[in-house]
Amino acid sequence: DGGITQSPKYLFRKEGQNVTLSCEQNLNHDAMYWYRQDPGQGLRLIYYSQIVNDFQKGDIAEGYSVSREKKESFPLTVTSAQKNPTAFYLCASTYRGLSTEAFFGQGTRLTVV
Amino acid sequence: DAKTTQPPSMDCAEGRAANLPCNHSTISGNEYVYWYRQIHSQGPQYIIHGLKNNETNEMASLIITEDRKSSTLILPHATLRDTAVYYCIVRFTITPQGGSEKLVFGKGMKLTVNP
Repeated sequence: DGGITQSPKYLFRKEGQNVTLSCEQNLNHDAMYWYRQDPGQGLRLIYYSQIVNDFQKGDIAEGYSVSREKKESFPLTVTSAQKNPTAFYLCASTYRGLSTEAFFGQGTRLTVV
Repeated sequence: DAKTTQPPSMDCAEGRAANLPCNHSTISGNEYVYWYRQIHSQGPQYIIHGLKNNETNEMASLIITEDRKSSTLILPHATLRDTAVYYCIVRFTITPQGGSEKLVFGKGMKLTVNP
């Protein structure tokens, strides 16, 4: 079945460590997105990518980095520069160009202690 | 910089129709209205989208005003499982040549269906 997979579902890290969240899709989608969600809040865009080897900053990119070496994969690194990394992270993908529905992964809940 | 506004929350009785409003007064002619919902701690799920005509699927109906500045998502017979955060967003029908789509969701609206 086609879909978008985030792993792991829960992640714990010590403060000051970098951590990478995985997002993989087999939908042949061009565009991929990372969002952060805090309790009671909506989705805030971190980074997005429309094609391989290209990505743009979203509204809250500071303290995060991404790469897009393959169409299927868009990993997000939460760096030690991110002051409040504990949050729920969601990845999404969609076709670029023609408007179609976006598909979301089930999210990764990151807790930094 | 979401292009839509929604009330923060709404309650509905189980079995009744839930009418969820959304304002998108700056929508352009080449932008769709999309609705998604997010059940607690899961990824958002697509519900429906439309351009200017009313749309219906197995989940919901979408009513778009003639001037396209607002829309209403209708869940005809709300159940307790419809309790969720609902997001109304606008998206280009076709991404401008050489451009990129930011896909902004905003805060959404919490719908609580009460027994």
